[in-house]
Amino acid sequence: QSVLTQPPSVSGAPGQRVTISCTGSSSNIGAGYDVHWYQQLPGAAPKLLISGNSNRPSGVPERYVGSKSVTSASLAITGLQAEDEADYYCQTYDSSLSGYVFGTGTKVTVL
Amino acid sequence: QVQLQESGPGLVKPSQTLSLTCTVSGGSISSSNHYWSWFRQPAGKGLEWIGRIQTSGSTNYNLSLKSRVTISIDTSKNQLSLKLTSVTAADTAVYFCARDLSGWYGSDYWGQGTLVTVSS
Repeated sequence: QSVLTQPPSVSGAPGQRVTISCTGSSSNIGAGYDVHWYQQLPGAAPKLLISGNSNRPSGVPERYVGSKSVTSASLAITGLQAEDEADYYCQTYDSSLSGYVFGTGTKVTVL
Repeated sequence: QVQLQESGPGLVKPSQTLSLTCTVSGGSISSSNHYWSWFRQPAGKGLEWIGRIQTSGSTNYNLSLKSRVTISIDTSKNQLSLKLTSVTAADTAVYFCARDLSGWYGSDYWGQGTLVTVSS
């Protein structure tokens, strides 16, 4: 059972902007722990898109923007492209569980 | 470029022990700046963190699996290993190893994953 809640799916036309939310609680995001985001293409391993709420690893396009508020975080994808069709997961540390926890996952569809 | 490759039996019988190895290339597993994690993903479902180890031998485990999991590291072979005891069908999943950034800052390099099926 995932500790972080994400919308099951979001969709948008090419060029549009979509946002994925990640809602946590006082033992994880609300406690100040950083949120990370992954992209998982079908049949592939997850790829780190955002680390530490808003930092993009080398090679990740600027179209991916992460942000964080009190008990939630968001991933925005601007200028949506066909190659963005994938599953996206948020991740953080949970102090009650003493380890990493993941979001429920969001499928992005490009119309 | 760091690369990780999981290996091990693709089929394990119920009640037996699942054993996987992750071989790291293109970098040293002995780096004090990193932890090395195991994750799993049942077909069509989300990701689950299993646990991680640092080169010092320090470990952290998912509390829901802690009683059944052992993660170890062999710096001479640049490998980490996963053992999960008393498996059931619920342990059927794709298992991934990954390199963690220091602290709890996510995993930047992942193996391709290996499917383990628990069935008699």
